[in-house]
Amino acid sequence: DAGVTQSPTHLIKTRGQQVTLRCSPKSGHDTVSWYQQALGQGPQFIFQYYEEEERQRGNFPDRFSGHQFPNYSSELNVNALLLGDSALYLCASSLRDLPGEQYFGPGTRLTVT
Amino acid sequence: AQRVTQPEKLLSVFKGAPVELKCNYSYSGSPELFWYVQYSRQRLQLLLRHISRESIKGFTADLNKGETSFHLKKPFAQEEDSAMYYCALIPGAGGTSYGKLTFGQGTILTVHP
Repeated sequence: DAGVTQSPTHLIKTRGQQVTLRCSPKSGHDTVSWYQQALGQGPQFIFQYYEEEERQRGNFPDRFSGHQFPNYSSELNVNALLLGDSALYLCASSLRDLPGEQYFGPGTRLTVT
Repeated sequence: AQRVTQPEKLLSVFKGAPVELKCNYSYSGSPELFWYVQYSRQRLQLLLRHISRESIKGFTADLNKGETSFHLKKPFAQEEDSAMYYCALIPGAGGTSYGKLTFGQGTILTVHP
């Protein structure tokens, strides 16, 4: 089991563009969470998906949206990119009843120019 | 609202010395607390959780509800303990934000030989 995988590893986008990040959870996990980690900061919770629905959401604008597929994989979409969206985006998977025990992916480094 | 505070951004100790990484939290209900660790060039991973009251790699953490703290301790630090440590909180089952994991800013621990 490769654990949680994310793609792409790095991404450079221009302000105003849209981006899609992808995540495959650890085998057996049914819940996916997304985090934004700015340099020198702890991960900030964006949202969590279970059974293809958004279960929890952090303090992020509607420009941030997501999706979970029947195979539990997930996408994070960000529209109208701002320079401040430049960060490491982490995906984590868990079991529905153990949401605090999360397995993290390596992250996608997004740079907005 | 839930919040996690790690007052020390950097902590340096010598090998064999005791180490304590501080974590304070604010949450009105009964939370679950965790410590996550990120070693150099590795992904973020769960170190321990307060519910299991376990010792992992010699580390322990006790939840003090009166002081709303969850400090991480190890009696004799090793060089391989050098890493970034994050304290994290999730509301207990039944809470409206159950599933939302909140991280502190992190503490970089350096253990000198």
